[in-house]
Amino acid sequence: GENVEQHPSTLSVQEGDSAVIKCTYSDSASNYFPWYKQELGKRPQLIIDIRSNVGEKKDQRIAVTLNKTAKHFSLHITETQPEDSAVYFCAASTEGGGADGLTFGKGTHLIIQP
Amino acid sequence: DTAVSQTPKYLVTQMGNDKSIKCEQNLGHDTMYWYKQDSKKFLKIMFSYNNKELIINETVPNRFSPKSPDKAHLNLHINSLELGDSAVYFCASSQDWNTGELFFGEGSRLTVL
Repeated sequence: GENVEQHPSTLSVQEGDSAVIKCTYSDSASNYFPWYKQELGKRPQLIIDIRSNVGEKKDQRIAVTLNKTAKHFSLHITETQPEDSAVYFCAASTEGGGADGLTFGKGTHLIIQP
Repeated sequence: DTAVSQTPKYLVTQMGNDKSIKCEQNLGHDTMYWYKQDSKKFLKIMFSYNNKELIINETVPNRFSPKSPDKAHLNLHINSLELGDSAVYFCASSQDWNTGELFFGEGSRLTVL
């Protein structure tokens, strides 16, 4: 089955700086890579996703890059704000197929220092 | 209107008891899931149902039994609760099997004493 590794487990950045979270996956058949944000005591919510037919996707201060050859993908948050503090999960799956569903990384606790 | 709702939100019970968590989605999705989030925040899939049929049954103890009376509902029943079952259980749904965004419920925090 798929295995997703996520680093770092904790990331502390100054407000206004950029944050980068990295993930690697093992299954070359995986073609869908979403990122979920979970605020303290809340449910995980999708913030951005990328499919394997593109290398980069942006949505305002958030961007995701994908390197299929190296089997890794990253989340970039620019101009960080206090409300960005949360746990971020990367995930991978073979969309529309596969037997395992969405496999999540272990999460990154992002702390924005004022 | 809440898209994915689960009850109860909190559950405190003694070891050995049996408990159920209910989940309902009003999104018209075909697939529903149960995820377990442990104290280290790791999200692990437990079960998945597509149109009331079991798709995934990960290696969870058979004390856990899912039931899907229709495609809008997926309930989780747990027998003989153990200390290690303490966790937050999230229900989720997606439009189709393993397709697109997962919509999570608010979670049910189970504490076994």
